Amino acid sequence: ETGVTQTPRHLVMGMTNKKSLKCEQHLGHNAMYWYKQSAKKPLELMFVYNFKEQTENNSVPSRFSPECPNSSHLFLHLHTLQPEDSALYLCASSQARATGGDIQYFGAGTRLSVL
Amino acid sequence: DAKTTQPPSMDCAEGRAANLPCNHSTISGNEYVYWYRQIHSQGPQYIIHGLKNNETNEMASLIITEDRKSSTLILPHATLRDTAVYYCIVRVAGYSTLTFGKGTMLLVSP
Repeated sequence: ETGVTQTPRHLVMGMTNKKSLKCEQHLGHNAMYWYKQSAKKPLELMFVYNFKEQTENNSVPSRFSPECPNSSHLFLHLHTLQPEDSALYLCASSQARATGGDIQYFGAGTRLSVL
Repeated sequence: DAKTTQPPSMDCAEGRAANLPCNHSTISGNEYVYWYRQIHSQGPQYIIHGLKNNETNEMASLIITEDRKSSTLILPHATLRDTAVYYCIVRVAGYSTLTFGKGTMLLVSP
């Protein structure tokens, strides 16, 4: 148990559906992240939130819409996805420090299949 | 962040030490070396990190060369549960993000 909980663990959706992924961290961290891991590819950073403000959007298509209502919760809203969006979506959190040593803690991920 | 180079795969016998190398010849003075691992279909797990001194914790030891151009992660007594992809990442501390490469697939066999 890492202190970062993702739900659901598995999700199957059609291309016209709208769904949301949820991430909750119980570590008191001030930064949260969404990553995508496609089959046989390295993890790719999607979004970064620091103190609830989005500080990085890694050229992610608009069909992925993040939301960070507070420092403990992070959502990824999905709509009109494509089959190539099928992947493992990972959430992470960290206590960012200017002097170094911040560690990201990852959730177990949501395995998404788009039909 | 500096680029890292790792072997794609390594084998280790259960109970023996696993030594995983990483080259980071373009590392800057303010960049740390981090190691994470990812067991199949799970989220990455932090292992250890260091700046220039060798580090040890309950999971592993990190040996960084004096010129900081390479490092070695040591799992002193590998178990079957250590089978995973191990990522060596170099990054500036603070708000900068983690950039994952392909890592090293470590297979621990009985």
